[in-house]
Amino acid sequence: DAGVTQSPTHLIKTRGQQVTLRCSPKSGHDTVSWYQQALGQGPQFIFQYYEEEERQRGNFPDRFSGHQFPNYSSELNVNALLLGDSALYLCASTRDREDLWDTQYFGPGTRLTVL
Amino acid sequence: GQQVMQIPQYQHVQEGEDFTTYCNSSTTLSNIQWYKQRPGGHPVFLIQLVKSGEVKKQKRLTFQFGEAKKNSSLHITATQTTDVGTYFCAGKTGGFKTIFGAGTRLFVKA
Repeated sequence: DAGVTQSPTHLIKTRGQQVTLRCSPKSGHDTVSWYQQALGQGPQFIFQYYEEEERQRGNFPDRFSGHQFPNYSSELNVNALLLGDSALYLCASTRDREDLWDTQYFGPGTRLTVL
Repeated sequence: GQQVMQIPQYQHVQEGEDFTTYCNSSTTLSNIQWYKQRPGGHPVFLIQLVKSGEVKKQKRLTFQFGEAKKNSSLHITATQTTDVGTYFCAGKTGGFKTIFGAGTRLFVKA
């Protein structure tokens, strides 16, 4: 049973460039959330995708956008990169249910460095 | 805005000593989750608490959710070197957004 996978593992970009990060959820999961984790901080919620739509967003600018595909995989796009976007980007998947009991499974993350 | 505060920021213990990290929210939480992140790794889910006053145990780990559902704690009895890492609490206040604390980094000296 494959867990959450993310690609690439590391990425170096320069200011102003655009980046796309990819995530495949755990088998059987249909909901994907993206988080940004700066060094020494807790993960910050960017947004969550379910049924190919963004259903909740955190306090991130419109430069951060995403997509979910019919196979539940997801992409995170960041435009006009800033130095402050350097962080570990984590994808977490879960199975949507009406109750609160679902576990979030995190992928290994993509380490983005903006120079 | 909604905040989840976690203390201490870090703690050094001798192997065999106990360890506790505390989590406080500015608003009532619908649930609280705890995660462990090893250095260089990603957060790994430990447990979820939903009910007011709930206490759950996993071997040497004891998790509590406050009566007002605004605070929580994780206590590790007789720490081991394998307990090293950062422990995060995370909660929801409704909706689908999970708010993480800044974490408590645990160092264990053998």
